[in-house]
Amino acid sequence: KAGVTQTPRYLIKTRGQQVTLSCSPISGHRSVSWYQQTPGQGLQFLFEYFSETQRNKGNFPGRFSGRQFSNSRSEMNVSTLELGDSALYLCASSTPGLATTGELFFGEGSRLTVL
Amino acid sequence: AQSVAQPEDQVNVAEGNPLTVKCTYSVSGNPYLFWYVQYPNRGLQFLLKYITGDNLVKGSYGFEAEFNKSQTSFHLKKPSALVSDSALYFCAVRPSPSGSARQLTFGSGTQLTVLP
Repeated sequence: KAGVTQTPRYLIKTRGQQVTLSCSPISGHRSVSWYQQTPGQGLQFLFEYFSETQRNKGNFPGRFSGRQFSNSRSEMNVSTLELGDSALYLCASSTPGLATTGELFFGEGSRLTVL
Repeated sequence: AQSVAQPEDQVNVAEGNPLTVKCTYSVSGNPYLFWYVQYPNRGLQFLLKYITGDNLVKGSYGFEAEFNKSQTSFHLKKPSALVSDSALYFCAVRPSPSGSARQLTFGSGTQLTVLP
């Protein structure tokens, strides 16, 4: 069974640009959540999607957005990039049963560098 | 609000020795606690969880964790460390039962280095 797939794995952008990251969950998983990982702030929850609806959002500015498609694939977008947005962005998928107890399956992440 | 603390940024242990990675938590109500591991340039991997029941929880790769309600701790342990256990370890807590199970709060992480 294929794991969570995130693309691209690495990317470099400049300040002011926008970026879109993609996540394909494990087959059969309908929930996708996103986390930002930085050395200074650690792992922080961005948002989660289930059945194409955003269920929760973390404490991030409106420049951070996301969506989920009918096939459960998800994308997140960051507009007007800032240097502080440089981070590893992790996507995690789960099923209702596992999600009840909090077990998440993470992708390898998309490492964004903003210059 | 719930939180977890990992008091040690770095833990070094010799191969073959027992290891402990510490975690304390602060939650209202009964906690749902987790350990995840991250290898370099990889995502997080689930190790084990405590929901209810026995205070000693067994997980993947020979790891176990001891839940201690009076000390609000959930320390990760392994009887005999391997060099391949070297990685970044995160303790996490699920929010209150009314919160989303996918919105975990993670600790700051502990870098475990097992020396040959």
